[in-house]
Amino acid sequence: ELKVEQNPLFLSMQEGKNYTIYCNYSTTSDRLYWYRQDPGKSLESLFVLLSNGAVKQEGRLMASLDTKARLSTLHITAAVHDLSATYFCAVDPSGSRLTFGEGTQLTVNP
Amino acid sequence: NAGVMQNPRHLVRRRGQEARLRCSPMKGHSHVYWYRQLPEEGLKFMVYLQKENIIDESGMPKERFSAEFPKEGPSILRIQQVVRGDSAAYFCASSPYRSDTQYFGPGTRLTVL
Repeated sequence: ELKVEQNPLFLSMQEGKNYTIYCNYSTTSDRLYWYRQDPGKSLESLFVLLSNGAVKQEGRLMASLDTKARLSTLHITAAVHDLSATYFCAVDPSGSRLTFGEGTQLTVNP
Repeated sequence: NAGVMQNPRHLVRRRGQEARLRCSPMKGHSHVYWYRQLPEEGLKFMVYLQKENIIDESGMPKERFSAEFPKEGPSILRIQQVVRGDSAAYFCASSPYRSDTQYFGPGTRLTVL
């Protein structure tokens, strides 16, 4: 059974600080997604990483993928309050269903 | 280009009633996925459909749940004889091709009294 694990599950950080969220998965997949979810809202697609060594950046967020280690990271640079949300990684090795991690609930404090 | 649309956004049912959740995919998308998010839990896959066909229903409970995506009209997730444990947010997603990025709708929040 495919397992996707994120850590940390809860992250409280100060504005202006940097931090990294980790996503490990248990089976081969060359495609990994990051989504953001605000409370009571839907999921917003942030990144899709398609190959080993892929790196993508959007604003203060940067995502990377190491398919050999089965690891993706989401790095937050100089956090701001607007980044407070829950972040999910997901993999789709079969091309038909996303398997999500548990989510990382990020709170950025002033 | 309108996003994925779901209705109703909120649905309240009493135990034993039926719930029908609708999903209209983005224009040009023929692949639809349903996920369920239970309180304090992550999202779990339920079913994957392409026009008129169920491709993967391995995440669907064996009883009371069914899904369809007819040639015309929205995809429907139907839950018969709802129980309190069915209370959750149900999200629909769509993609233009298999293995492409899935775009999520706003969700239907089902409450069973």
